[in-house]
Amino acid sequence: DARVTQTPRDKVTEMGQEVTMRCQPILGHNTVFWYRQTMMQGLELLAYFRNRAPLDDSGMPKDRFSAEMPDATLATLKIQPSEPRDSAVYFCASGWDGQAVVGYTFGSGTRLTVV
Amino acid sequence: AQSVTQLGSHVSVSEGALVLLRCNYSSSVPPYLFWYVQYPNQGLQLLLKYTSAATLVKGINGFEAEFKKSETSFHLTKPSAHMSDAAEYFCAVTPSGGYNKLIFGAGTRLAVHP
Repeated sequence: DARVTQTPRDKVTEMGQEVTMRCQPILGHNTVFWYRQTMMQGLELLAYFRNRAPLDDSGMPKDRFSAEMPDATLATLKIQPSEPRDSAVYFCASGWDGQAVVGYTFGSGTRLTVV
Repeated sequence: AQSVTQLGSHVSVSEGALVLLRCNYSSSVPPYLFWYVQYPNQGLQLLLKYTSAATLVKGINGFEAEFKKSETSFHLTKPSAHMSDAAEYFCAVTPSGGYNKLIFGAGTRLAVHP
């Protein structure tokens, strides 16, 4: 089965450090989502892209977070500088726009711990 | 704006008992609705989806859900719980038009006891 690949699987970093999370969407998918999951807030949509263009990043703290798609096979989420409140599991999901009926495929997530 | 409310953050059932997980949605346009399951330390897996065709939707692992417009509900059921069903379940909504972003409910953690 096709998979969405996220790296790293786990990341522990010190406050103030830069963190970069990567996502390889399923080949042929043109829509990529970034979600953050915490116990308190549940699943929050941070940003999403269609055909590599950002469509909505209103859920993302702009001062420290940035999301990009340098090419169709790679999406990145960067936090600089990181803070303890950023500790969460970050999920990437991909799909084919116009076919929401299909649903989206999620990666296994990056568990980020900022100490 | 679209939203979903999942009633009950924790549900506990005995093995072999009926599973009922509740989801109510709010949408200004006809919605698409989804149920996802998340096992510990894993991503979300699609269980089933409603896309304005049949109102009773069958998914994987014996789960099904019924879309009831009059009640704005999309409850998830399974006739007989199995120990392997223990997981967190998320209901999600997306508008049938527009940019198709998925909005999730808070989730319901299902525990299955022997």
